[in-house]
Formats: sequence, C-alpha cells, structure tokens
Amino acid sequence: VLTQSPDTLSLSPGERATLSCRASGTVASSYLGWYQHKPGQPPRLLIYGASNRATGIPDRFTGNGSGTDFTLTISRLEPEDFAVYYCQQYGSFSQNTFGQGTKVEIK
Amino acid sequence: QVHLVQSGAEVKSPGSSVKVSCKTSGSTFSTSTITWVRQAPGQGLEWMGGIIPMFGKPDYAEKFQDRVTISADDSTSTVYMEMSSLTSDDTAVYYCAREQTFFGLDFWGQGTLVTVSS
Repeated sequence: VLTQSPDTLSLSPGERATLSCRASGTVASSYLGWYQHKPGQPPRLLIYGASNRATGIPDRFTGNGSGTDFTLTISRLEPEDFAVYYCQQYGSFSQNTFGQGTKVEIK
Repeated sequence: QVHLVQSGAEVKSPGSSVKVSCKTSGSTFSTSTITWVRQAPGQGLEWMGGIIPMFGKPDYAEKFQDRVTISADDSTSTVYMEMSSLTSDDTAVYYCAREQTFFGLDFWGQGTLVTVSS
C-alpha cells in the first residue's frame, strides 16, 4: 500500500511543493514512479526509479527517497503544474499499485 | 515513437460486458508490458492488470481477478481488456499504458470512457 500526503496542497505559483509517498513495505529496487494527471488527459510520467526524470520533464521536478519513504519536490510551481500527482510502485505485477494522489491546487 | 491508441467510448447496461482495445505501434510488441489502469469519477488511479504478449499470461489485481480478462493479439499488436458483470461502479476512464522495467509507465493511451447505465 502506498500512502500519499497531504491529500491537498494549496500553494501559489512560484512556491515550492513537497509531496510525500510512504510504502507499507520496502519498494524493490526503487521501482517507484511519480505521475502528473490533469483532467481530460492521460497521466504523464515525471519520475522513474525514484529519482530519474523522464524524457522532457523540467528540472524543477525532483524525486528522492528509497526503501519506504519517497518525495516529489517541485522547486517553483508554474501555472501548468497545478494537477493531481500520484506515486506508483511498479516492476512486479503482484506489487503494482498507486497511491491515492495529492492534489496541488492554486491558493 | 511509441503510440497506444484505444477504442472509443462505450455505454453499457448493468450486467453486460465491455471489451476495450489498445493498439500499439513503435515498439516491440511481444516483449512490452501493457497494463490497464482505470479512474472512476472523483477517484484516483487504480491498477487493474497487465500482460507481456511474449509470455501470454496476464496478471490481475485481486479486485479484478474474477471479472477482467486481458489478452493480446500479436498479429495486430493489440491488447484487449474485457470486463464482465458491469455495474455503475465500473463507470470510469480506462487507460492502457506501456510499462518498461525500471522506467515505469512511460507511454499511455488516450483513455476510453466506459459508462454503465440503465
């Protein structure tokens, strides 16, 4: 089980966002991803392997963590960053699961 | 470039079945892992199951094991997700996505809205 916190983050453009994802068991080989999801679009992969930015992802997005505790940091929020963010454990069908999501909304 | 193109929206009656397709291109189909994820209205993302066409044996989240069948057609590079005994709780957008080992779900289909209504 992946538990994200907080459920909602109310921030202004230019501020820093820190999202947390905690696993109930160790995530094997850091098979932990972060996704951005906006209404009407498919989710977009931001981070894979806990800390690697996917192709084309701006460097204001940073993933960190290992074991059971992971974070996604958005250094300075741009208007297009307001969305819902999900962490996901992948790599094994038996352990594939998403967190419940964190909504980053405009304050 | 990898593309996943899903079939169109469906409206189904309670108790019926739906089959959604996901046609892939631009990658080696047989060795890719294709997964299915859904999002019900107001809810989060939910992993349903997946298949590696080369091995042919799908796997499912426990919640969907009895009602969902995922299959693959090598000849058309298409993966299918069929769900039976539909209820209104199955109203959702269904996505297929390619999963690469270590790299996560890197390419997604556009989503298919399935509405279950009497």
